[in-house]
Amino acid sequence: QLVLTQSPSASASLGASVKLTCILSSGHSSYPIAWHQQQPEKGPRFLMALNSDGSHRRGAGIPDRFSGSSSGAERYLTISSLQSEDEADYYCQTWGTDIHVFGGGTKLTVL
Amino acid sequence: QVQLQESGPGLVKPSQTLSLTCSVSGDSISSGTYYWSWIRRPAGKGLEWIGRLDTSGRTNYNPSLQGRVFMSVDTSKNQISLRLTFVTAADTAVYYCARDRKAGFTLVRGMISTNTYYYYMDVWGKGTTVTVSS
Repeated sequence: QLVLTQSPSASASLGASVKLTCILSSGHSSYPIAWHQQQPEKGPRFLMALNSDGSHRRGAGIPDRFSGSSSGAERYLTISSLQSEDEADYYCQTWGTDIHVFGGGTKLTVL
Repeated sequence: QVQLQESGPGLVKPSQTLSLTCSVSGDSISSGTYYWSWIRRPAGKGLEWIGRLDTSGRTNYNPSLQGRVFMSVDTSKNQISLRLTFVTAADTAVYYCARDRKAGFTLVRGMISTNTYYYYMDVWGKGTTVTVSS
C-alpha cells in the first residue's frame, strides 16, 4: 500500500533554511511526488513536482528559494532564506493505483 | 492563466446531499487531457482526496467515499460538479477543486523498469467551506 509519511511539525528561524521530508512506503522508492503549500486561510498552492533522481519542476511563480531533492525513498523540500509568509502547512502527494495519496502534512513555524 | 473557483451552499443538513460546482476560467476544460479533482480539508486535519474525472466522464473515487460521491462535467459551462450524498458532520470541511497534470516516470521494481505515469495537482481553487449541521 502506497503511503507518504511526513513529520507533523518543523520550525526554523527567519532567514535560515529548513528541509522537510516525505517518506514513501516500502516498494515505492522510485515514485515521484509533488509538494504543495497551504498558507493559513488560503487554498493549497503547487510548489513543485519532484522525481526520484532529485530533478524537479517548480510551479509558475515559485521562487528558487524552494528546491527539491531525493535520496532513496525520501523526498525533500528545502526552503532557504525563510520568510514569514513561508509559515504554512506543506503536503507531499503522489498517485497510486487509481487514487491520489497525500502525506499527513508538516506544519512549518518560522521563528 | 487557469483559475478555479468553487461554489455552493455553505450549510447542508445531515443525511442530505452536498452539491458543489467548480468553475474553470482562463482555458477550456476540454482543451487538454486533464483530470479534475475534488479534495477536502476538515478543520484540524490534512488534505483528503475525494475523487476526479476527465471531460469524457471517466472517474476515479476515493474508496472511503465510494457509493456516496458522484462527479460530473459540463463542458458548455466549463464546470465540474461534485455531489456527496447522505452527509454527516464528518463531511464538514473546506472543499477544493484542482487540475490534475499527467507526467511520466520510470517505475523500478527489483530488476524491472517500466515507463509509466503519475498525476499531480498543478492548479488549485481557493476553496469553499461546507458545514453539515441541522
